[in-house]
Amino acid sequence: EAEVAQSPRYKITEKSQAVAFWCDPISGHATLYWYRQILGQGPELLVQFQDESVVDDSQLPKDRFSAERLKGVDSTLKIQPAELGDSAMYLCASSLKGHEQFFGPGTRLTVL
Amino acid sequence: RKEVEQDPGPFNVPEGATVAFNCTYSNSASQSFFWYRQDCRKEPKLLMSVYSSGNEDGRFTAQLNRASQYISLLIRDSKLSDSATYLCVVNMGGPNFNKFYFGSGTKLNVKP
Repeated sequence: EAEVAQSPRYKITEKSQAVAFWCDPISGHATLYWYRQILGQGPELLVQFQDESVVDDSQLPKDRFSAERLKGVDSTLKIQPAELGDSAMYLCASSLKGHEQFFGPGTRLTVL
Repeated sequence: RKEVEQDPGPFNVPEGATVAFNCTYSNSASQSFFWYRQDCRKEPKLLMSVYSSGNEDGRFTAQLNRASQYISLLIRDSKLSDSATYLCVVNMGGPNFNKFYFGSGTKLNVKP
């Protein structure tokens, strides 16, 4: 069964350091999403790609977060510099246009 | 007002009980609806899509009420393994693009 891959699964960093997360969507899924989820809350969309183009990054803190999907396949989300409040689960999901999304296992980030 | 609202619970029920969750959404033009299940510190997994005519999958039944803008999930004969958080997801995009909104989740505890 096809799955969304993410790495690393866990990341511990100190504040002001840079961190990067990687996501490989299900093959053929043109839409890729990055979410942030804080314990006890639902996922919050950070950025959405359609192929290599960003279609929604309205909730992405652009002063410190960046995302790219250069070839329209895998994607990287970067935080620089990390802050204590960035500690959360970062989830990647993918979907076909107009269809339900499937999630990767997530990256749990702890900022000390 | 949030786009998708759920009762956070927790719902504490004995094994074998029937339990129902509701979820309301703000956009009457919403295209599609889903229930996801999320175990503690894991990624959300698709439980079922919600169709206008209602749909059933084993012990799980989902209903959509467009007039009142809510969806529901009914779980019959609860099992210990049903303990999880149930996320309501509404697609408020168009037929060719997705814009998913998540509720905060309803926590279910099934006890022996």
